[in-house]
Amino acid sequence: ETGVTQSPTHLIKTRGQQVTLRCSSQSGHNTVSWYQQALGQGPQFIFQYYREEENGRGNFPPRFSGLQFPNYSSELNVNALELDDSALYLCASSSKRTSGYEQYFGPGTRLTVT
Amino acid sequence: TQLLEQSPQFLSIQEGENLTVYCNSSSVFSSLQWYRQEPGEGPVLLVTVVTGGEVKKLKRLTFQFGDARKDSSLHITAAQPGDTGLYLCAGDGGGTSYGKLTFGQGTILTVHP
Repeated sequence: ETGVTQSPTHLIKTRGQQVTLRCSSQSGHNTVSWYQQALGQGPQFIFQYYREEENGRGNFPPRFSGLQFPNYSSELNVNALELDDSALYLCASSSKRTSGYEQYFGPGTRLTVT
Repeated sequence: TQLLEQSPQFLSIQEGENLTVYCNSSSVFSSLQWYRQEPGEGPVLLVTVVTGGEVKKLKRLTFQFGDARKDSSLHITAAQPGDTGLYLCAGDGGGTSYGKLTFGQGTILTVHP
């Protein structure tokens, strides 16, 4: 059983640019959630995707958008990058049927905006 | 908006000491999860508690879910340097909020040899 994977590991972008982060969910999981973790803070919920539809969103502006594909992998897109977007971006996969309440996190993508 | 207050924020202790981390909220959660995170890595799930009053033990770690499912604690007995890391509690609101975790601020634990 493969775990959650994310790419790239690290990324450096300039303010105003756009970025796409990728996540492959754990085998058997159909739900992907994205979180932003600023340095020294707990992760904050961005949004969740279930069966290719957005299924809930946290307090993040529309320039944060996402996709989920038929194989349950997912992308997080951020437009018009701001310095405050610098953070560790985590995705977590889950399946109510196979893992109940539990979510499993990937290693994260460290985004630095200069 | 559901909030989780985690305390203490920092904990620096000697090997062999005991410690407790607290996670409190005014909101009810359907479940609460505890994670441990190493620098530059994603959180790793330690335990999920679901039932009010539930106690789970994982070797030297004891997790408790409050009767009203609003608070939780993590107790570590005889801490070891390998326990060093960031400990996070996260609540799942359940229902339409299923899987949308609310995290505490985290507790940075340092265990000195």
